[in-house]
Amino acid sequence: ETGVTQTPRHLVMGMTNKKSLKCEQHLGHNAMYWYKQSAKKPLELMFVYNFKEQTENNSVPSRFSPECPNSSHLFLHLHTLQPEDSALYLCASSQEREGPDTQYFGPGTRLTVL
Amino acid sequence: GQNIDQPTEMTATEGAIVQINCTYQTSGFNGLFWYQQHAGEAPTFLSYNVLDGLEEKGRFSSFLSRSKGYSYLLLKELQMKDSASYLCAVMDSNYQLIWGAGTKLIIKP
Repeated sequence: ETGVTQTPRHLVMGMTNKKSLKCEQHLGHNAMYWYKQSAKKPLELMFVYNFKEQTENNSVPSRFSPECPNSSHLFLHLHTLQPEDSALYLCASSQEREGPDTQYFGPGTRLTVL
Repeated sequence: GQNIDQPTEMTATEGAIVQINCTYQTSGFNGLFWYQQHAGEAPTFLSYNVLDGLEEKGRFSSFLSRSKGYSYLLLKELQMKDSASYLCAVMDSNYQLIWGAGTKLIIKP
């Protein structure tokens, strides 16, 4: 596979469930990102990892927990979510965090919280 | 604060030309990006401008004026497959992308 992949593509969960989103990049990049995309709103940056180290957490609630075991893989662990967390969750990667590098996106996970 | 403005929706006819505008106010500037996003799919990179002027890439062109905080994406010879959302994003002084809400482009036969 090439580019950035995400699984699952669709997820429906109850507010008491625990689930994880997975992202994998095959581009040899060093930086990875989680974004939230809600209808008719700008992309919201959630977390940034550079060389496996978290460099940014944009005031994201603790019910979202990221994990980056290596430069190619990124997870987003979800627990006790709220209905307003329903959105498209996009993963992206870029060559470096510090630099005008293009970010390449995965297809996203469409999350519905009931 | 930082702000990116672009029209919410535009309609154009197949074969015609359309210009999507983007204005911005950000803390620093390290370039402006345009992405295309089809419904239910990943945003895909279209163009990057860091210097003033026009960058042409096939049917798509992107223009930047840093002094005016303004960019546009020009799409020529529109095809039905160009129906998508177009996202404008500015990279600020911390190399963080600041995003507009996107412009939904509808192409009619």
